[in-house]
Amino acid sequence: DQQVKQNSPSLSVQEGRISILNCDYTNSMFDYFLWYKKYPAEGPTFLISISSIKDKNEDGRFTVFLNKSAKHLSLHIVPSQPGDSAVYFCAGRGSQGNLIFGKGTKLSVKP
Amino acid sequence: DVKVTQSSRYLVKRTGEKVFLECVQDMDHENMFWYRQDPGLGLRLIYFSYDVKMKEKGDIPEGYSVSREKKERFSLILESASTNQTSMYLCASSSFDRGWRNEQYFGPGTRLTVT
Repeated sequence: DQQVKQNSPSLSVQEGRISILNCDYTNSMFDYFLWYKKYPAEGPTFLISISSIKDKNEDGRFTVFLNKSAKHLSLHIVPSQPGDSAVYFCAGRGSQGNLIFGKGTKLSVKP
Repeated sequence: DVKVTQSSRYLVKRTGEKVFLECVQDMDHENMFWYRQDPGLGLRLIYFSYDVKMKEKGDIPEGYSVSREKKERFSLILESASTNQTSMYLCASSSFDRGWRNEQYFGPGTRLTVT
């Protein structure tokens, strides 16, 4: 039973355009949601998070939106750059502080 | 600068061998985690620990055990390695603070191949 779902395994976007990565969850007890970025042969790095009591959090080119009623969150990257090409993982934080990750979406930003 | 280090980047072991994967963090974090990453399956939690000598099972603990004798060190043990344990293993740590910056910091990963 997947508590965090990233239904698009891959996404291709032109440089300068917006990238939108989506994530759905089933566990209403998550108190935070986090996005991680992972390059090949490296560990994931934290990108941005949002509390479950917020609906938006912005950090530079990255914005995360949370729609609690739909149990859906999205990560917007504007403008997209070739260096953003990576695998992006969405995660929900459970009651014990553990993170439950989605399967990831591979973003390719083409010059 | 935060740092999580893992003892090996690449490891090749034979079926049936006992395997130790070591992780050390220098941030005085209370929480430490072991994940494995497989294509199409994302990151799956194997074990985690809130404190020295404490451990909790994650989603896929079978075939693994852990040891946390010191706060900065968290070891993952494969008692008898099998080919289905070939994977990328990632260690992470986080602060006990449950504020908004309670993100986990990851090590570079260990690519384990069991032949």
